[in-house]
Amino acid sequence: AQSVSQHNHHVILSEAASLELGCNYSYGGTVNLFWYVQYPGQHLQLLLKYFSGDPLVKGIKGFEAEFIKSKFSFNLRKPSVQWSDTAEYFCAAIENDMRFGAGTRLTVKP
Amino acid sequence: GAGVSQSPRYKVAKRGQDVALRCDPISGHVSLFWYQQALGQGPEFLTYFQNEAQLDKSGLPSDRFFAERPEGSVSTLKIQRTQQEDSAVYLCASSLRVGRGTGELFFGEGSRLTVL
Repeated sequence: AQSVSQHNHHVILSEAASLELGCNYSYGGTVNLFWYVQYPGQHLQLLLKYFSGDPLVKGIKGFEAEFIKSKFSFNLRKPSVQWSDTAEYFCAAIENDMRFGAGTRLTVKP
Repeated sequence: GAGVSQSPRYKVAKRGQDVALRCDPISGHVSLFWYQQALGQGPEFLTYFQNEAQLDKSGLPSDRFFAERPEGSVSTLKIQRTQQEDSAVYLCASSLRVGRGTGELFFGEGSRLTVL
């Protein structure tokens, strides 16, 4: 079955710390990958997406993600987090339908 | 409109009551999706429309759930005889592109349903 796994349920960091959120998927064929963010009280917003080409994808607000096909992974990274990055982050993958991971809550302490 | 609009934002229903949740997608978006997001979980796919055609309803959890998009724009998700396990946020998303496997989804803010 198609699935997306996010390893961390809740991550707590101090401002300026580096961030890496794990995401693995279990699709065998061509897959499109996404990271969405949900700030408190707001709707899901697209951070970045990978369809093909350069496996290192740059998104908004300094986020990036790397597609590693051999590891079925699409981890999200940011070199230096800010308090305003506090939010829930969802990895998603499309094969036939868009499937989401369970989400990782990021809390950034000022 | 500028974004995907959902109403009501919050709905409290007594067990056994019917509810209807509305989604106004971005104008011109062909594809429309409904997702259910339980507390602490990621969104789970419910159903997909391409214009007025419901092409996939495999995610609807029971026959108490029904969705329609009669004119290919506004969509309604109806839940009959609500149960406590139906309590969740119901998300609507739309996409300009045709096909479930392409493009970015634009999400509404969701309708939070609480069944007492």
